[in-house]
Amino acid sequence: GAGVSQTPSNKVTEKGKYVELRCDPISGHTALYWYRQSLGQGPEFLIYFQGTGAADDSGLPNDRFFAVRPEGSVSTLKIQRTERGDSAVYLCASSPGGGSKTQYFGPGTRLLVL
Amino acid sequence: AQSVTQPDIHITVSEGASLELRCNYSYGATPYLFWYVQSPGQGLQLLLKYFSGDTLVQGIKGFEAEFKRSQSSFNLRKPSVHWSDAAEYFCAVGYGSGNTGKLIFGQGTTLQVKP
Repeated sequence: GAGVSQTPSNKVTEKGKYVELRCDPISGHTALYWYRQSLGQGPEFLIYFQGTGAADDSGLPNDRFFAVRPEGSVSTLKIQRTERGDSAVYLCASSPGGGSKTQYFGPGTRLLVL
Repeated sequence: AQSVTQPDIHITVSEGASLELRCNYSYGATPYLFWYVQSPGQGLQLLLKYFSGDTLVQGIKGFEAEFKRSQSSFNLRKPSVHWSDAAEYFCAVGYGSGNTGKLIFGQGTTLQVKP
């Protein structure tokens, strides 16, 4: 079956611009996660959705970062006034929910802020 | 704060040799544990997981891992490495009952395989 998909695969933007990153989870998965992976590091948690609501957004670094999941499926991570330090790979993962603990990851969006 | 340590940043083994990648976590309650593999430019692929029960778990591609509570470790092993195993390996720990919360990842271990 189809896995988690993320678009775009690469995004180059200029400092100060606004970007949106999209995640399509595995069909039927109720839980969705965003992580950020800087070069040479492991992924770091950003935000977790259960259905439409953000159940844990403790990993968002500041108020320039925001994420939505309006219909409980596709999610969009939004970054305002991008900074060079935002350059990283943004990974999305989904999980079936209902007690399942396994997260399945997408290929990521590589963001480069010039 | 919860943390995951992968002490070896980079490991080189010969093809056909055995492999052990180390992972230690710090957490008070019963964790659930994962190993993921990441090839260049790719996302994370799940190798195996431990939630409870038998502390030796089998995964895909011939990998296994053993949970040792007394050592707070979850080391990944493979008896005979193949050239295609060259990649980056991440250990991850989760916590909380019911649905998963966030996963905490180690820094990763890069595996190089010599012919």
